[in-house]
Amino acid sequence: GNSVTQMEGPVTLSEEAFLTINCTYTATGYPSLFWYVQYPGEGLQLLLKATKADDKGSNKGFEATYRKETTSFHLEKGSVQVSDSAVYFCALLYGGATNKLIFGTGTLLAVQP
Amino acid sequence: EPEVTQTPSHQVTQMGQEVILRCVPISNHLYFYWYRQILGQKVEFLVSFYNNEISEKSEIFDDQFSVERPDGSNFTLKIRSTKLEDSAMYFCASSLTGDQPQHFGDGTRLSIL
Repeated sequence: GNSVTQMEGPVTLSEEAFLTINCTYTATGYPSLFWYVQYPGEGLQLLLKATKADDKGSNKGFEATYRKETTSFHLEKGSVQVSDSAVYFCALLYGGATNKLIFGTGTLLAVQP
Repeated sequence: EPEVTQTPSHQVTQMGQEVILRCVPISNHLYFYWYRQILGQKVEFLVSFYNNEISEKSEIFDDQFSVERPDGSNFTLKIRSTKLEDSAMYFCASSLTGDQPQHFGDGTRLSIL
């Protein structure tokens, strides 16, 4: 079945460090891929998306490229800030007859000043 | 920017009691969803709703659960007889179409005693 696998957290970085959070997926067909972010005490916010192979989603300095050959959608940011500390969720939307999002387990990012 | 709102933010209920969680989706959205997140676990799909009927539900969404859109703005999740294992954060989401990004509320933390 369809599934999403994320790297285990927590990820602890110093301010201005480079961030990568790995995400791979298993799906038949061509799902849409998303990254959501959950700041402390808040709900899930859409961070970025990609709907087809080789698409690059980007927002707030974060980027992720839909790689069909490696079934991956890794999240990257060149220089993290303390305010980026949050839980990041990778998710896929298979579409077609089903509209449910399938989430990874989430990765906690802690950025230290 | 329009947002999904959920009330209450925290609900404490005795086991066996009925509980209703409320959501106001984004006004022009047509698809509505409930997800839940048990502490420390993945965000899990419960149900999707379109055109005044359930379009898909998960195994979690058994006879104790129901959803309703009682008027043009609210979308509710009812649990008839709560169990301890229903304790979780419940998220409402909405989307314009079935393959568009889903926008989430801040969630209701449900605690069953």
